[in-house]
Amino acid sequence: GAVVSQHPSWVICKSGTSVKIECRSLDFQATTMFWYRQFPKQSLMLMATSNEGSKATYEQGVEKDKFLINHASLTLSTLTVTSAHPEDSSFYICSAAPGGSNNEQFFGPGTRLTVL
Amino acid sequence: QKEVEQDPGPLSVPEGAIVSLNCTYSNSAFQYFMWYRQYSRKGPELLMYTYSSGNKEDGRFTAQVDKSSKYISLFIRDSQPSDSATYLCAMRRTDSWGKLQFGAGTQVVVTP
Repeated sequence: GAVVSQHPSWVICKSGTSVKIECRSLDFQATTMFWYRQFPKQSLMLMATSNEGSKATYEQGVEKDKFLINHASLTLSTLTVTSAHPEDSSFYICSAAPGGSNNEQFFGPGTRLTVL
Repeated sequence: QKEVEQDPGPLSVPEGAIVSLNCTYSNSAFQYFMWYRQYSRKGPELLMYTYSSGNKEDGRFTAQVDKSSKYISLFIRDSQPSDSATYLCAMRRTDSWGKLQFGAGTQVVVTP
């Protein structure tokens, strides 16, 4: 099956610093990747859609200057949380959709971010 | 009102029992329906997806969609302790490829 990895799996940082999270599709090319955020016991909330070689599309209410997304290749997308604050602490999950796929999204294992 | 409603549980069942999960939704434009399984601190794993109304079976899993009632279900037969996880329903419109609306997830505990 298709495998998506995320790095790091968890990160603790100080308030005001920036954190980069990587999402990689290991055995397929992903023209589109998605970034989600999940708070404890809550649903996954789509933050943005990332298309290779173009700007990401952000969902309403998501600050694009705070959550920088780069999709530089067909196998890698990165999410950078800039000037992180404690309220940004959450579980960040990416998913990747193979080219031509209509319904399949393969999810990464998630990255737990804790901002002190 | 949330677009997708799902009882968070927890739902506790004895091993071997049938697990019954469901979601209701309000947007009649949803056409694609999925069920994901998520273990603690892991990403969701796709279990089933169906298009429009009807039933779909895959091994011990059966997914049902009733669009007239805006109600979807997932049944797990012969449940095992390894089925203990959070189950999330998700759905999307035909014109919003990839933009999934998730339910909050139901925590299932299968006791030996």
